[in-house]
Amino acid sequence: DGGITQSPKYLFRKEGQNVTLSCEQNLNHDAMYWYRQDPGQGLRLIYYSQIVNDFQKGDIAEGYSVSREKKESFPLTVTSAQKNPTAFYLCASSIDGRDAKNIQYFGAGTRLSVL
Amino acid sequence: GQSLEQPSEVTAVEGAIVQINCTYQTSGFYGLSWYQQHDGGAPTFLSYNGLDGLEETGRFSSFLSRSDSYGYLLLQELQMKDSASYFCAVSYSGAGSYQLTFGKGTKLSVIP
Repeated sequence: DGGITQSPKYLFRKEGQNVTLSCEQNLNHDAMYWYRQDPGQGLRLIYYSQIVNDFQKGDIAEGYSVSREKKESFPLTVTSAQKNPTAFYLCASSIDGRDAKNIQYFGAGTRLSVL
Repeated sequence: GQSLEQPSEVTAVEGAIVQINCTYQTSGFYGLSWYQQHDGGAPTFLSYNGLDGLEETGRFSSFLSRSDSYGYLLLQELQMKDSASYFCAVSYSGAGSYQLTFGKGTKLSVIP
């Protein structure tokens, strides 16, 4: 089955710790995205990548970092500089981001909490 | 920048029709999308309007008026499984590609 796999489903971070959220897709999509969702809120864009080895900051990139070394993978690191990391993190992909329709397909999400 | 407004909650009766409105202020607007998200789940794409008018997909329809910066999602013959959050999202051009900005979502509760 083609899709987007996020892991882990639940993650706990200690103070001062960096944690990495995994996102893998087998849809052969060029574009990938990371969103943060807080309770009762919409999705806010953290980072996006249109092609391998290239990525751009979204609206709330501070305290986060990403890499795109392979087309299939777009991991997100929540660094210790992110002071309020507790949220639901969603990874998405789209064919290439060059179509205004830009249908995005989402993973099941990772719920991050601070210990 | 982009901003979207949609109602936070809507309640409707099973079998009825409900309309979820979305107004937006966007620079470089290209279209309006709708996504559905069940509690704790992944958002899924429902519809897209790039031009003014109505798009119909089964029980769901979506409308766009670019001159009014307004759109809506219409759900007919409501079913209990339609209880979910619905997000409108504007498509805009930036950094050589199209991005989406999402509204805060409307939580729809369908009651018997």
